[in-house]
Amino acid sequence: AQSVAQPEDQVNVAEGNPLTVKCTYSVSGNPYLFWYVQYPNRGLQFLLKYITGDNLVKGSYGFEAEFNKSQTSFHLKKPSALVSDSALYFCAALSPRGWGKLQFGAGTQVVVTP
Amino acid sequence: DTEVTQTPKHLVMGMTNKKSLKCEQHMGHRAMYWYKQKAKKPPELMFVYSYEKLSINESVPSRFSPECPNSSLLNLHLHALQPEDSALYLCASSLAGTSGGVNTGELFFGEGSRLTVL
Repeated sequence: AQSVAQPEDQVNVAEGNPLTVKCTYSVSGNPYLFWYVQYPNRGLQFLLKYITGDNLVKGSYGFEAEFNKSQTSFHLKKPSALVSDSALYFCAALSPRGWGKLQFGAGTQVVVTP
Repeated sequence: DTEVTQTPKHLVMGMTNKKSLKCEQHMGHRAMYWYKQKAKKPPELMFVYSYEKLSINESVPSRFSPECPNSSLLNLHLHALQPEDSALYLCASSLAGTSGGVNTGELFFGEGSRLTVL
């Protein structure tokens, strides 16, 4: 079965400290990988994606993610967290054979304290 | 214009009512999606339209009826819903895969319609 795992329900970090949100996947083939963020009572916003190429992907709002094929991971990172980064983060994978069907992780709540 | 617009933002309906959710995008995307999301949970795919044709129905109960009148519009007709159908309903759009190909583009989501079924 194909799946995306986000092992942490919540990540707490102080403002200015590095932020990491973990994601691992179990998807056949070479999946396309995405990160989305959701603020309260809002829709999901696209942050970044990995399709192929450089393992370090840069995205919106200073976020980046590192693709690691051997560890089947796609961790989201930000060097210096802001209070405004507090939100729900979803990792998602799309199998080349699963057109249109994103597999989402369970989500990680990020809380950045001043 | 990189927006997906959903109306209404909030909807309260009884179990015998008929209502519709609407979604509109003007990005030229030819794939459109309906998702259902419960609080603090990931979105669950309901339907996918590709080039105005229904391509995926995730075994959704018939009390939910999707419609894609044209390439910019997507509707979700609601009838005889149950209280457990209360949720945030998200519309999304993306580039559509070419024939035999796979869409690798990201989804653009609307802000959602918050549905409460009494």
